[in-house]
Amino acid sequence: QQQVKQSPQSLIVQKGGISIINCAYENTAFDYFPWYQQFPGKGPALLIAIRPDVSEKKEGRFTISFNKSAKQFSLHIMDSQPGDSATYFCAASTPGQNFVFGPGTRLSVLP
Amino acid sequence: SQTIHQWPATLVQPVGSPLSLECTVEGTSNPNLYWYRQAAGRGLQLLFYSVGIGQISSEVPQNLSASRPQDRQFILSSKKLLLSDSGFYLCAWSLGENQPQHFGDGTRLSIL
Repeated sequence: QQQVKQSPQSLIVQKGGISIINCAYENTAFDYFPWYQQFPGKGPALLIAIRPDVSEKKEGRFTISFNKSAKQFSLHIMDSQPGDSATYFCAASTPGQNFVFGPGTRLSVLP
Repeated sequence: SQTIHQWPATLVQPVGSPLSLECTVEGTSNPNLYWYRQAAGRGLQLLFYSVGIGQISSEVPQNLSASRPQDRQFILSSKKLLLSDSGFYLCAWSLGENQPQHFGDGTRLSIL
């Protein structure tokens, strides 16, 4: 029940396309859902996050869509660029519990 | 603004040798501090977290230990390294539970 499932494991997208990464959870107590971006040899950097009082949050080309009833949330990267090539992690947390991270998605954006 | 520093960036150690990795945070007080390990191409495994000086919680039984001698200093240690201790070690901080965590750039540890 504490797992966060993430798919796909890897993703190849053409420059200018839309990248979509999906996460699912079981624990209905989770109330904070961040996405992290990690480049090789670097630590993960917080990209965007959402709490369940809204169904969507957009920051530039990055959008989180949240479906509380389905217990799913996704990251959409619009107009994907080669510089977006990285590993993306979703996570979930709730008070009294540390972050639970998904296994990661390796995104490659082809020029 | 807050910053987090980890050192060294890379480390090569022989099996059986001791380990000390250090992490410091600047620009905030009484942060929650975390140590994670990331195996190659894998996700993040929480090793230890701390909510205050001298307060350490362990998530996974292992060959490692952690200490927090000062408010913004977090140390990961081992008395005798094993081959299985190889990996990418990440330190992170947050303002509290259920708050964004911010990561350092990690230490790449190779055990020979």
